[in-house]
Order: sequence, then C-alpha cells, then structure tokens
Amino acid sequence: DTGVSQNPRHKITKRGQNVTFRCDPISEHNRLYWYRQTLGQGPEFLTYFQNEAQLEKSRLLSDRFSAERPKGSFSTLEIQRTEQGDSAMYLCASSLAPRGSGTNEKLFFGSGTQLSVL
Amino acid sequence: LAKTTQPISMDSYEGQEVNITCSHNNIATNDYITWYQQFPSQGPRFIIQGYKTKVTNEVASLFIPADRKSSTLSLPRVSLSDTAVYYCLVGVGSSASKIIFGSGTRLSIRP
Repeated sequence: DTGVSQNPRHKITKRGQNVTFRCDPISEHNRLYWYRQTLGQGPEFLTYFQNEAQLEKSRLLSDRFSAERPKGSFSTLEIQRTEQGDSAMYLCASSLAPRGSGTNEKLFFGSGTQLSVL
Repeated sequence: LAKTTQPISMDSYEGQEVNITCSHNNIATNDYITWYQQFPSQGPRFIIQGYKTKVTNEVASLFIPADRKSSTLSLPRVSLSDTAVYYCLVGVGSSASKIIFGSGTRLSIRP
C-alpha cells in the first residue's frame, strides 16, 4: 500500500500523559499536513511542513503540541500533558506542492489516529 | 483564502442525481476549486478539482460558471455508499498558504 499511513489507529490515554503519533506520507510528496477533527466538524488545520521545514502552525495550537519532520519524510505529532479536550481524530495528509502560483494542490489523507483522553 | 458557503445537509434517494452547490464570491484569479468526500472514521478523499467550465471524472462532475463565484458538484445516480460529508475548498496550495476545511455538506442517501 503506497498511501498515507498513520500509527497508531487508536490511542487511549489518561489525562496528563504524553502521546506521540506517527505519519508516513506518500514517498514522493514534499508537503505534509496535520489536522484535528472532532465529531460533526470539518478537519481543523494544525500545522504543515514542506520537506523538513515547518512552514506554519495554527495559532489555536497550544505549546503542548509539537510536530517534527526530521528528514522530510515521516512526521511525528506529540501532545504533552494531554487534556480531555484533546480527544479527537488526528489526521495526516501529504501532497506535492504546486508549481509556481498554482493552487491545484491535492491532499491525500491517512485513516487518522483516534485519541481518547480519559 | 476565499471563504466558501455550502448547505449543511442534503437528502436524496438511490438512483437520483445529486447537485451540491458551493458559493465562493471572493475567489481569486489563480484559485482552483477542489472537492473532498469523507466517510465516518476515515480521512477525506479527493474527488475532483477544476478551474473553469466543466470537469468530469469517473466519480463526479464539477460545473463552474463563467464568473467562478460558485461551483456545483454533481453526483450521478447516487447509491447508499455515497452517504458522506462533502467539502468544497477554494484557493488551496499556493506557496504561502494552508488548506482550510469548512464544515462541509452532510449528504444522506435513502433507499
């Protein structure tokens, strides 16, 4: 399978614990996005990378959240001192950055990691 | 990024054609229009993308009028498996932007 892979698929943790999620994008894709989604809402942008550079991070994201993409391939999203409000589906997507000023980017999503904070 | 407006929900029946319209009055000259489909407990899936007039693929058609201030996703002869949330996005993917999803349209197909 050459799609976007996310692990784990499900994570249950206690409040105050740290969790880390991994995303393996499609190999030739240079962009990688993280989103968070709660029931009934659209995916909420968290951050994105182009190669290994983190280009933007949502202002809604607290300092407890950090993401890395050390070699421009896989990425990790860590949440420190989890809170019940962090319970959500965490989605990763990858894409090829459009050339020039084109806005025809297409995202390919993984199946997500469902986080439950007790 | 251009803001989009689409219906919160729609209902239809198997075998019908379904049209979901998205308004994007502030679309910029170089903006594309992209639609995604999302099933429960899965990530969104790219359906179709277009710039002007009409685009068709094996899943759907996308109609874009000349002023490009709106677009219509057309799903021919829907089945129960087309029940999903459909997102319209405009102006995605320039070198200094990020892709933002709205709340989408929840489409329910009945037998």
